Amino acid sequence: GNSVTQMEGPVTLSEEAFLTINCTYTATGYPSLFWYVQYPGEGLQLLLKATKADDKGSNKGFEATYRKETTSFHLEKGSVQVSDSAVYFCALSDHNAGNMLTFGGGTRLMVKP
Amino acid sequence: SQTIHQWPATLVQPVGSPLSLECTVEGTSNPNLYWYRQAAGRGLQLLFYSVGIGQISSEVPQNLSASRPQDRQFILSSKKLLLSDSGFYLCAWSVGDRGAETQYFGPGTRLLVL
Repeated sequence: GNSVTQMEGPVTLSEEAFLTINCTYTATGYPSLFWYVQYPGEGLQLLLKATKADDKGSNKGFEATYRKETTSFHLEKGSVQVSDSAVYFCALSDHNAGNMLTFGGGTRLMVKP
Repeated sequence: SQTIHQWPATLVQPVGSPLSLECTVEGTSNPNLYWYRQAAGRGLQLLFYSVGIGQISSEVPQNLSASRPQDRQFILSSKKLLLSDSGFYLCAWSVGDRGAETQYFGPGTRLLVL
């Protein structure tokens, strides 16, 4: 079956530091890949997505590239801000599995001023 | 534009009491609808999804049930709550191309069973 594995948190960084949150996946088909962000006390918001190999999703300074050869979709940001503190979820959607989203366990990011 | 509402925002219920959480979507027709649960400090677990009125699929057997009485209304229920039902319940909707479907989440309901 499908699965998503994320690095465990919390990840604690100073403001303006470089961020990488690793995400790898296992899928039977050709999935679309997503990063969702959950700010404290709120629901999930779509951050970015990529629908095929070598696509790069980007939004708000965050980027992730769909790497089929390494089955990865690592999230990166060059300079984090305190307002980026949140929980980040990697997910995949497999049309062979009815487009259900499979989520990773989430990674909590804490950015200190 | 599309919006999704959930209520109540927070709920404290005694063990054995009933539950009804409501989710409504505005600005779209015939969406796919989903209920997720997020236990404290953990990831998301898909509970139910629906592709149309009266069509409910359950992903995890438990004492919860879901109903879709109208196109844009999705209800999560229980006859008798358990302590383990505590968590953050998220409703989501989607439409879109197969293989690239994006889900949009509501603000969530925080449920504490005592």
